[in-house]
Amino acid sequence: SQQGEEDPQALSIQEGENATMNCSYKTSINNLQWYRQNSGRGLVHLILIRSNEREKHSGRLRVTLDTSKKSSSLLITASRAADTASYFCATDSNRGSTLGRLYFGRGTQLTVWP
Amino acid sequence: NAGVTQTPKFQVLKTGQSMTLQCAQDMNHEYMSWYRQDPGMGLRLIHYSVGAGITDQGEVPNGYNVSRSTTEDFPLRLLSAAPSQTSVYFCASSYRGLYGYTFGSGTRLTVV
Repeated sequence: SQQGEEDPQALSIQEGENATMNCSYKTSINNLQWYRQNSGRGLVHLILIRSNEREKHSGRLRVTLDTSKKSSSLLITASRAADTASYFCATDSNRGSTLGRLYFGRGTQLTVWP
Repeated sequence: NAGVTQTPKFQVLKTGQSMTLQCAQDMNHEYMSWYRQDPGMGLRLIHYSVGAGITDQGEVPNGYNVSRSTTEDFPLRLLSAAPSQTSVYFCASSYRGLYGYTFGSGTRLTVV
């Protein structure tokens, strides 16, 4: 499986602190994506980074990708209580026989305390 | 509102019953997928499609069938429900996988 694995499984921080989550994967990818899931809700796409990119920003989110180490990190700066959610990385090969497949890790549960 | 619509939101089935989970999108996305989410397991890919008339199996396809007769719809059929299929099911779609996937709000299925 190309499933990504997030680390840590759970993260608890205070409002205003930064939160860093890591993702490792097994095979070559076309892109890597991060999603957020609030409790009892569907997943929301946050950011996509392509294999030829090393860093990407979106608001308070910063994603890095190291294809040599097969790893990615998601940094949320100045976290807020509303950032409390599960965060998932997903890998997409989007080529050949794996076209259309997106594989998810098991997620990091982030809790931000007021 | 544009997006992915899943019905029903909740369903209780008896073991051995069959049913269809509906998924529709109005964004003209070619790619559509079905996932199941179980506690501690993340999301696992059941079946997926890269266009009308084209479907393929994911990681956990046993006990499920799909078809894709139109670009908009991608129903998931449970042939003979088992308690192991108790889960939350998500449908997702994407424009050729290029810009991320849009997810539906899920169907919570309980098989008793």
